[in-house]
Amino acid sequence: ELKVEQNPLFLSMQEGKNYTIYCNYSTTSDRLYWYRQDPGKSLESLFVLLSNGAVKQEGRLMASLDTKARLSTLHITAAVHDLSATYFCAVDQSASGTYKYIFGTGTRLKVLA
Amino acid sequence: SQTIHQWPATLVQPVGSPLSLECTVEGTSNPNLYWYRQAAGRGLQLLFYSVGIGQISSEVPQNLSASRPQDRQFILSSKKLLLSDSGFYLCAWEKHSPEAFFGQGTRLTVV
Repeated sequence: ELKVEQNPLFLSMQEGKNYTIYCNYSTTSDRLYWYRQDPGKSLESLFVLLSNGAVKQEGRLMASLDTKARLSTLHITAAVHDLSATYFCAVDQSASGTYKYIFGTGTRLKVLA
Repeated sequence: SQTIHQWPATLVQPVGSPLSLECTVEGTSNPNLYWYRQAAGRGLQLLFYSVGIGQISSEVPQNLSASRPQDRQFILSSKKLLLSDSGFYLCAWEKHSPEAFFGQGTRLTVV
């Protein structure tokens, strides 16, 4: 059974600081996804990582994927309050042309002014 | 461009009542469609997926069912709701590519 674990589950950080969220998964996969969820809202796609060594950056967020270690990281640089949200990673189980996502438990990030 | 619509946005239903949540996708044809549920304070779990009209696969045993009566329409139903059915339900689609797109969600509270 594929399991996806994130840590930390909760993260409170000061504005301007850097931090990394980790996502480990239990089976081989070359694809990993990061989503952001604001309270009561849907999921916003942040990054789609499709190969080992993939690195993508958008603003203050950077995601990377190491398929050999079965690890993805989401690095936050110089956090600002607007980044406060819950972040999910997901791995897909592809079969017969479908992409079924297995989500991590989420990391609730709070950036303090 | 493609868009996905879910309704209603919020729903409060008594235990034992029926349920029907609807999801439609515009701007594409023959998408793969998915229903996910997010229980309070938890991650998302895949409930059902569909690769075509009338083709439904269930991922977890439960009190819910799904149907796909039209190419771009996906419906989540229950004949009798349980308290444990409460949660945030998200519909998603993808067109045979890894990246999925999610609807705005329906928050269901069973009382």
